[in-house]
Amino acid sequence: DQQVKQNSPSLSVQEGRISILNCDYTNSMFDYFLWYKKYPAEGPTFLISISSIKDKNEDGRFTVFLNKSAKHLSLHIVPSPPGDSAEYFCAASLKGGGATNKLIFGTGTLLAVQP
Amino acid sequence: SQTIHQWPATLVQPVGSPLSLECTVEGTSNPNLYWYRQAAGRGLQLLFYSVGIGQISSEVPQNLSASRPQDRQFILSSKKLLLSDSGFYLCAWNGGKNTEAFFGQGTRLTVV
Repeated sequence: DQQVKQNSPSLSVQEGRISILNCDYTNSMFDYFLWYKKYPAEGPTFLISISSIKDKNEDGRFTVFLNKSAKHLSLHIVPSPPGDSAEYFCAASLKGGGATNKLIFGTGTLLAVQP
Repeated sequence: SQTIHQWPATLVQPVGSPLSLECTVEGTSNPNLYWYRQAAGRGLQLLFYSVGIGQISSEVPQNLSASRPQDRQFILSSKKLLLSDSGFYLCAWNGGKNTEAFFGQGTRLTVV
């Protein structure tokens, strides 16, 4: 059962334009959301996060929007240079055992920024 | 600063052979540790997580096991590998609830 879904496996945008990556989730107990960027054969790197008590968070070129009623979040990247071409994962935090949280990842969206 | 080391980077193993992947974290204490797997065409699947020495939680039934013999060491093992165990394995850590996780560079495992 995929609790975090990225329905677009790939996305192509022109260099300098905005990239919008979408993510849907099913579990209303998720309370923290994150976006990661991943290059092939490397570990993911953290981009930006948002708490469930907020609906927007901005950090430089990255803005994340959260719509709790729709169980939907999106990542906006403005502008998009070719170096942004990578796989992007959204993740949601669910309380695990003890004091930890489990990060449940989506299926990923492969972003191609065309020069 | 904190760093996470994962090795080996690539591994080719025959079916039925054992597996041991190691992950260590430096520059922090009592981290939460995680093992993820990325299989072809799929997202990052959480396999195991640990909140402390000897404490392992398994997320999915599988042919793998995990151990945490020291505070900053996390090991992924198998007694007999299956073809379906092939994938890209990632170790990660974070410092607590609702904090970002930091990933190692991953191990590409191919079972032949």
